[in-house]
Amino acid sequence: DTEVTQTPKHLVMGMTNKKSLKCEQHMGHRAMYWYKQKAKKPPELMFVYSYEKLSINESVPSRFSPECPNSSLLNLHLHALQPEDSALYLCASSQDQTGGNTGELFFGEGSRLTVL
Amino acid sequence: LAKTTQPISMDSYEGQEVNITCSHNNIATNDYITWYQQFPSQGPRFIIQGYKTKVTNEVASLFIPADRKSSTLSLPRVSLSDTAVYYCLVGDMENYGQNFVFGPGTRLSVLP
Repeated sequence: DTEVTQTPKHLVMGMTNKKSLKCEQHMGHRAMYWYKQKAKKPPELMFVYSYEKLSINESVPSRFSPECPNSSLLNLHLHALQPEDSALYLCASSQDQTGGNTGELFFGEGSRLTVL
Repeated sequence: LAKTTQPISMDSYEGQEVNITCSHNNIATNDYITWYQQFPSQGPRFIIQGYKTKVTNEVASLFIPADRKSSTLSLPRVSLSDTAVYYCLVGDMENYGQNFVFGPGTRLSVLP
């Protein structure tokens, strides 16, 4: 299994709603990432979890709250978002690059979020 | 991690070889270079990775000169389905779970 699965694929929410994005991988990767991508722009790093601990937060507003319940799951909790937060949210995982591994990022298909 | 710069866009015709160059002037000793391909509304996908000299796989070649300040992704005989955005990333071999930063990428358009 070399897949990163993201749900839901599409999400429409109002500015007062609370919703969550979910990401799952069963490749044994211990680093997981959230990226945000606006149209015709590169993916922008939001958070990195390493061994289930938040290791990098790229100054993301608190209305985005990540959670890593176990080594296979990564959630992104959304609350009080703004219309400008509408974007494609990408989850990725990577293997440890020691031992001859590439450390490449494996991406999911993304969750398309629209905030009304 | 070293910042990368690439051409914003390139056009090619089917059957041609395409070379996309990425500059990473501040690359460090522990850094390696990885290229990704992204189609619209999909996550980026790994193409190839290298540290120095030349690497080849079933879809591409990667050329890295001795000073490692640049790298060139070579796509042989492109087809319409190779139309995508191509990103080069620099990563630290010693750092697991790092801040992989995507540059603006190169938008390749393959014409019939």
